[in-house]
Amino acid sequence: KNEVEQSPQNLTAQEGEFITINCSYSVGISALHWLQQHPGGGIVSLFMLSSGKKKHGRLIATINIQEKHSSLHITASHPRDSAVYICAVSRDSNYQLIWGAGTKLIIKP
Amino acid sequence: DTEVTQTPKHLVMGMTNKKSLKCEQHMGHRAMYWYKQKAKKPPELMFVYSYEKLSINESVPSRFSPECPNSSLLNLHLHALQPEDSALYLCASSQEQGWYGYTFGSGTRLTVV
Repeated sequence: KNEVEQSPQNLTAQEGEFITINCSYSVGISALHWLQQHPGGGIVSLFMLSSGKKKHGRLIATINIQEKHSSLHITASHPRDSAVYICAVSRDSNYQLIWGAGTKLIIKP
Repeated sequence: DTEVTQTPKHLVMGMTNKKSLKCEQHMGHRAMYWYKQKAKKPPELMFVYSYEKLSINESVPSRFSPECPNSSLLNLHLHALQPEDSALYLCASSQEQGWYGYTFGSGTRLTVV
């Protein structure tokens, strides 16, 4: 079993829909990261969370430490949101990010 | 400046060539990282530099040689690569090794022919 699991693997939605991507992890962490990667491109760090909830524009990330679960929400989705969204966790004093497999999101006009 | 800049964006090289990838940041970050990413896979950590010293080498073959000339610059020297080394090479930085948020570059798409 992977230490970081994401669901769904693939998600196709219509423009304007509310999107939720889930991440569960099985290890103790110091922080959880949500990242975005466009096809063939670099990675953009969206959020780093250790508790609670963060919001940036149309993106919202939440984390429940007790349940070892995080969600990334996109409100009023747009075709430009189409990308791979990756959940990764960092452990205490550890240089390694443990990566989820990513969720490929396609938003159709 | 809040970016990590990688050059070149694309590189095609023969198996006998020597080339270098460059990564630059001016955010005062003291940790810099090289990752290798194959298609549809998460990035794999290759090297970590902390305060300009090599901190972690994840058993990377010697045909990949990292260099950190100063706190803003990270190079990856390539020599005698194999076709299976073709991948997206990503550079990242963070304020300190393993802590705080990471800033990633846009990557260099390397093709070995």
